[in-house]
Amino acid sequence: NAGVMQNPRHLVRRRGQEARLRCSPMKGHSHVYWYRQLPEEGLKFMVYLQKENIIDESGMPKERFSAEFPKEGPSILRIQQVVRGDSAAYFCASSPRGSGELFFGEGSRLTVL
Amino acid sequence: GQQLNQSPQSMFIQEGEDVSMNCTSSSIFNTWLWYKQDPGEGPVLLIALYKAGELTSNGRLTAQFGITRKDSFLNISASIPSDVGIYFCAGDTGTASKLTFGTGTRLQVTL
Repeated sequence: NAGVMQNPRHLVRRRGQEARLRCSPMKGHSHVYWYRQLPEEGLKFMVYLQKENIIDESGMPKERFSAEFPKEGPSILRIQQVVRGDSAAYFCASSPRGSGELFFGEGSRLTVL
Repeated sequence: GQQLNQSPQSMFIQEGEDVSMNCTSSSIFNTWLWYKQDPGEGPVLLIALYKAGELTSNGRLTAQFGITRKDSFLNISASIPSDVGIYFCAGDTGTASKLTFGTGTRLQVTL
């Protein structure tokens, strides 16, 4: 998983602020996934993107959350007007194709005060 | 939605012992994956299984894709302290391309 780069590793925000999490996939991977993990729980799928396209966002909350994967640059997960319940670890994963093995980054840990 | 149940939830074993954990699903999966997660880190892929009945090894780890495609198990032989962590199974239907993760098995190894 060393190839998937996420930043920041830790982010603290106050309620109502915006959080932006970045993910650079492994070289050669054009499929990016975002997952959320609450303490003591498994990972929950949020969104699947392929360059410039959202393929599946069935796990994304309808409001305040958005994701993009532009032609150039990293994938961004954006959370607007954060609330305490958004505190979690957000993991990005990439894949060379749209199925099978996913390779995960180290995660971004969001704390909302 | 799809659910993956892992058992046991946690295990305390002595160094050198063998470990077995399994994962069951209410749905059929086309791919089974096993990941290990250390505290504060992302999940690391251990083994990937692509065919029903497939048995695959990776060092001291062995995993099998159940014939019914609704279950998988992971065995660790001769455990060592660095095996400590949380083990997650994950299934992929191959259509939506998103993994469904299990609830995790927390492994503790005592010397």
